[in-house]
Amino acid sequence: AQKVTQAQTEISVVEKEDVTLDCVYETRDTTYYLFWYKQPPSGELVFLIRRNSFDEQNEISGRYSWNFQKSTSSFNFTITASQVVDSAVYFCALSEAGTNAGKSTFGDGTTLTVKP
Amino acid sequence: DVKVTQSSRYLVKRTGEKVFLECVQDMDHENMFWYRQDPGLGLRLIYFSYDVKMKEKGDIPEGYSVSREKKERFSLILESASTNQTSMYLCASSSPGQGTNYEQYFGPGTRLTVT
Repeated sequence: AQKVTQAQTEISVVEKEDVTLDCVYETRDTTYYLFWYKQPPSGELVFLIRRNSFDEQNEISGRYSWNFQKSTSSFNFTITASQVVDSAVYFCALSEAGTNAGKSTFGDGTTLTVKP
Repeated sequence: DVKVTQSSRYLVKRTGEKVFLECVQDMDHENMFWYRQDPGLGLRLIYFSYDVKMKEKGDIPEGYSVSREKKERFSLILESASTNQTSMYLCASSSPGQGTNYEQYFGPGTRLTVT
């Protein structure tokens, strides 16, 4: 069975600080996909990034970066120079290839508060 | 851009009423999902569908049913609403291939209150 653990329930930082959101996953599949989603106070979940299990290359997009390490089954998300607009709930998710409809298992989410 | 719309942002219903939540996506996605989100419980999958007229139970299907008569539309039905079904309901769609791989696109959510 697949499982996603986001051990940090809540994180609070001051603007301009860097912050890392942790995600640890469990799966028996060799082919799988990892995702991060953002849910701002407005409520709508927004897809941020997908990583395939066979691609361990890290990714940077502006202030956002993702570190995927198969050896530790982790897919961590770092926000550099955080801003108030980054305040949201962030979800990590896992989908196994071949699963019906590619349904995802979501972590419980990390609530990030960025204070001015 | 993928667009997923839900029929209502806010809905108030009485106990025992039959409730329909509608979801429409405009990207020809095969897969559609219904979740409920409650404080402290994360996202819980109610039902999903991988094709027209195909449906499968998720983790918490009790008290719910679904209908998918057309590819773009996925309806969640509460046969007899109860107060413990007060929640935020989220619809999502996804597709393998087409330049994507199962990432889900969500609607804005429907906050349902059952009194």
